[in-house]
Amino acid sequence: DAKTTQPTSMDCAEGRAANLPCNHSTISGNEYVYWYRQIHSQGPQYIIHGLKNNETNEMASLIITEDRKSSTLILPHATLRDTAVYYCIVRVAHNYGQNFVFGPGTRLSVLP
Amino acid sequence: GAGVSQSPSNKVTEKGKDVELRCDPISGHTALYWYRQSLGQGLEFLIYFQGNSAPDKSGLPSDRFSAERTGGSVSTLTIQRTQQEDSAVYLCASSLDGEQYFGPGTRLTVT
Repeated sequence: DAKTTQPTSMDCAEGRAANLPCNHSTISGNEYVYWYRQIHSQGPQYIIHGLKNNETNEMASLIITEDRKSSTLILPHATLRDTAVYYCIVRVAHNYGQNFVFGPGTRLSVLP
Repeated sequence: GAGVSQSPSNKVTEKGKDVELRCDPISGHTALYWYRQSLGQGLEFLIYFQGNSAPDKSGLPSDRFSAERTGGSVSTLTIQRTQQEDSAVYLCASSLDGEQYFGPGTRLTVT
């Protein structure tokens, strides 16, 4: 079972920031928060991950609450090409013995 | 700078036939995962290889499914006696230390 909960769907206006929330209240101390997205008919694409500090890269920013029980993925200026299903996943960073459990994710629709 | 590649991209087979799906991971990645995704559904974990360790087969849905990884690189997922419910996109991912990089998938259609 996925250890995260996300809204089923969200809309965002093109050019605006898209803020995608994720709850992970049972996260363990050594588990990271990962975000992936899947554009229609493509394989999932890695976006960003973090442990407890906020992270930013060329794609997005990740804000993790101090208690680490929730996080928000921010796409600062959403474009139509950001329309996708966004998956929030928690797991230990190393590969040993744990696969990624993909929940249903949030279907983000960026509207013109 | 090749990413993960999979072949074939599409496969149509008759019910009862065997199929083999291939995954070429990113060079140097020690971990390899297989998932499948039915139409409109999320990803379902199938099997995981890590280095020379015994694979984690806990996600394989039946004994008709098997996979191997030769030389720590290329992997083949085999489905024997295919059934219509096996129709899905089969995704492969590789990883070195954390984030997984996915291939484009193989769309399997069992008629």
